[in-house]
Amino acid sequence: DAGVIQSPRHEVTEMGQEVTLRCKPISGHDYLFWYRQTMMRGLELLIYFNNNVPIDDSGMPEDRFSAKMPNASFSTLKIQPSEPRDSAVYFCASRAGTGYGYTFGSGTRLTVV
Amino acid sequence: AQSVTQLGSHVSVSEGALVLLRCNYSSSVPPYLFWYVQYPNQGLQLLLKYTTGATLVKGINGFEAEFKKSETSFHLTKPSAHMSDAAEYFCAVSGRTSYDKVIFGPGTSLSVIP
Repeated sequence: DAGVIQSPRHEVTEMGQEVTLRCKPISGHDYLFWYRQTMMRGLELLIYFNNNVPIDDSGMPEDRFSAKMPNASFSTLKIQPSEPRDSAVYFCASRAGTGYGYTFGSGTRLTVV
Repeated sequence: AQSVTQLGSHVSVSEGALVLLRCNYSSSVPPYLFWYVQYPNQGLQLLLKYTTGATLVKGINGFEAEFKKSETSFHLTKPSAHMSDAAEYFCAVSGRTSYDKVIFGPGTSLSVIP
């Protein structure tokens, strides 16, 4: 198993541009999570899906952020327009079910200049 | 509501010494408890978890943790630190229903001194 795959690993963009982060969860995992990690705020849960359906998006900072999961093997997190304060490492994680630990991807380091 | 506190944002130990990373949780229901490790420029990796049964849980890389309900604690230990153990460690708690979110602690950075 290749694990949770995220792309790109690094993204540098200018303020105001659209950014799309991608995630492929582990096959058979029916939960998918998007987290953001910064030094100041630690790990923040942005949104999670169960069987491709968004369950809780209360952590999404504002309307500039959106996430989709069109099928069981793919999810995107989009920021439009991006701002410097969005600079962080964004992690995708998947889980098989309740009581199982998460499997995290390697993350996307986003820098907005 | 659930929460996690980790005593000490940074811990230093000598190589070969005992590693003890502290975690206390707050939960209104019997929790699931987890420890994760994060190496530089990598995602978090599950070290071990407690769901039910034996309160002493063994994980990867020689780590173990003990669930103590009376103390609401889930401290992580390793008898002898290796240089490769230097990383960030996160304690996490969740409820037991399908839609319970995992709440992560702020993390403890472990340094191992040669």
